[in-house]
Amino acid sequence: GAGVSQSPSNKVTEKGKDVELRCDPISGHTALYWYRQSLGQGLEFLIYFQGNSAPDKSGLPSDRFSAERTGGSVSTLTIQRTQQEDSAVYLCASRPGGAVETQYFGPGTRLLVL
Amino acid sequence: AQSVSQHNHHVILSEAASLELGCNYSYGGTVNLFWYVQYPGQHLQLLLKYFSGDPLVKGIKGFEAEFIKSKFSFNLRKPSVQWSDTAEYFCAVNARGNNRLAFGKGNQVVVIP
Repeated sequence: GAGVSQSPSNKVTEKGKDVELRCDPISGHTALYWYRQSLGQGLEFLIYFQGNSAPDKSGLPSDRFSAERTGGSVSTLTIQRTQQEDSAVYLCASRPGGAVETQYFGPGTRLLVL
Repeated sequence: AQSVSQHNHHVILSEAASLELGCNYSYGGTVNLFWYVQYPGQHLQLLLKYFSGDPLVKGIKGFEAEFIKSKFSFNLRKPSVQWSDTAEYFCAVNARGNNRLAFGKGNQVVVIP
């Protein structure tokens, strides 16, 4: 079946602009995650959605970052007033419900802030 | 909060050499453990996982990992690497009951033909 998809695959923007990154999880997966992968760093957790529960936003680095998940499916990560340090690969992952499951990752969006 | 340490960020070795990548985590409770791999130009994919049972876990492409609870370790091994194993390898830990994965910084492995 189809995997996790993300768009755009690459995004170049100017400092101060807002960007929106999209994630389409695997159909039927109730949990969705956003991570950030910076050069030479591991994956940094950003936010987690599970069904209709309130999202776990504890990983968002600043109030310029926000995310929503509409209809329990597609998610959008928004970065307002982008800064150069926001340049990274933003990864989305989804998993089925349940406590012990594997996350399935999308290809990521490579964001470059000039 | 759980954290994960991976050492020797860059590893260069020849084909047929043996590979071992260390992973140590800090969390006192029950954990699920993962190794993910990211081949050049591809997205992260699961290599192997440990939830419970036999602490020696076999994964795809001849990889295995051993969970040693007393050492808080989950080291990845492959007896004989191939050029196609060139990739970045990430160890990840999930504390039971916690919905996050904590990742290490990764090991960049280059296999020279």
